[in-house]
Amino acid sequence: AQTVTQSQPEMSVQEAETVTLSCTYDTSESNYYLFWYKQPPSRQMILVIRQEAYKQQNATENRFSVNFQKAAKSFSLKISDSQLGDTAMYFCAFMNLLQGAQKLVFGQGTRLTINP
Amino acid sequence: ETGVTQTPRHLVMGMTNKKSLKCEQHLGHNAMYWYKQSAKKPLELMFVYNFKEQTENNSVPSRFSPECPNSSHLFLHLHTLQPEDSALYLCASSQDRISNQPQHFGDGTRLSIL
Repeated sequence: AQTVTQSQPEMSVQEAETVTLSCTYDTSESNYYLFWYKQPPSRQMILVIRQEAYKQQNATENRFSVNFQKAAKSFSLKISDSQLGDTAMYFCAFMNLLQGAQKLVFGQGTRLTINP
Repeated sequence: ETGVTQTPRHLVMGMTNKKSLKCEQHLGHNAMYWYKQSAKKPLELMFVYNFKEQTENNSVPSRFSPECPNSSHLFLHLHTLQPEDSALYLCASSQDRISNQPQHFGDGTRLSIL
């Protein structure tokens, strides 16, 4: 069974700083997808960024980028020039389709606070 | 504006009550999901529906009964719940269950069992 581990329950940085959230996963599959989701306080969970395992190039979405290390099974999220609106719970998630179903496996989450 | 709408946002019920959670998606998706989010625990997948057919039941107790009348609507019927069932229940949808496109989530229903 796949597992996803986020080892940082909470993080806090100053506005405009860069912060990196860590995520590791365990799988025997070679083709899969990885996601970072953001859940602001009392608001819906939204997709931040996704990475296909067969792509070596790290995904980037504006201020958000990932460091995908397939051999190490590591998928960290870097937020550059952090903003107050980045305050949220961040979840790393793993998905494969080999079982014929889109099943997301989530990590425990990291609570990120951006301080003014 | 969210493409996945859940009602009610908050629900308080006794252990002997019967209530239902509703989820509606306006994204034209064919797969819908129920998740349970408890404090300090990863999101747990409960049920998966694809084209109105249940394709996954992740060992969920029978006091939770899902219903999917069409691809746009998903219900979770609740009866004789336990205090440990208090949690945030999230609904999500995706293009279909074998797509690599990401899931879209609703705001969730915060459920408290007295």
